[in-house]
Amino acid sequence: DTAVSQTPKYLVTQMGNDKSIKCEQNLGHDTMYWYKQDSKKFLKIMFSYNNKELIINETVPNRFSPKSPDKAHLNLHINSLELGDSAVYFCASSRDYGSTEAFFGQGTRLTVV
Amino acid sequence: EDKVVQSPLSLVVHEGDTVTLNCSYEVTNFRSLLWYKQEKKAPTFLFMLTSSGIEKKSGRLSSILDKKELFSILNITATQTGDSAVYLCAALSGSARQLTFGSGTQLTVLP
Repeated sequence: DTAVSQTPKYLVTQMGNDKSIKCEQNLGHDTMYWYKQDSKKFLKIMFSYNNKELIINETVPNRFSPKSPDKAHLNLHINSLELGDSAVYFCASSRDYGSTEAFFGQGTRLTVV
Repeated sequence: EDKVVQSPLSLVVHEGDTVTLNCSYEVTNFRSLLWYKQEKKAPTFLFMLTSSGIEKKSGRLSSILDKKELFSILNITATQTGDSAVYLCAALSGSARQLTFGSGTQLTVLP
């Protein structure tokens, strides 16, 4: 069973479009995250979220927004996509904020053309 | 701003060699340091280090943390081609409650 799953795995879209990436975890974890990995392999935190608190990395444009319908899901919505948004986006979860290792999904490769 | 720096950026060795990967960090209210292995897809967890001087070991991999000097090393002995991957170091900040990753070390093990 996949612990953290993301869909889609690949997403190719045009500039200006709005898209969503879905993430689900079946680990019973309280905290979920979104990371962006750029071409140089840097993994940068975008959001940390549990059912009580959302922490946003201040460098993330407000075109990006997390949506959590329940504790097991954290979806990423992106409005008005730009070329620079092309990257691999990873979802992750941990038992709670920062106490244990984070388990990662397989990533979504987003290409904006 | 929290920062994690890894070195070297890339490393090419032959099977059987021993490698040492370095990670230095500057984070506010440091809690733990984590090592991940990333092959083609998701990073997979290797170690979490919280205390100084205590070596964590898993097979041919081992890691240790120095909280005074703010660094950690990851050792891989008797390397195999399957060890080829990007090794990511991440520092957990209690205040920010998030992981800050380094850029990774690309390890290539040749047969």
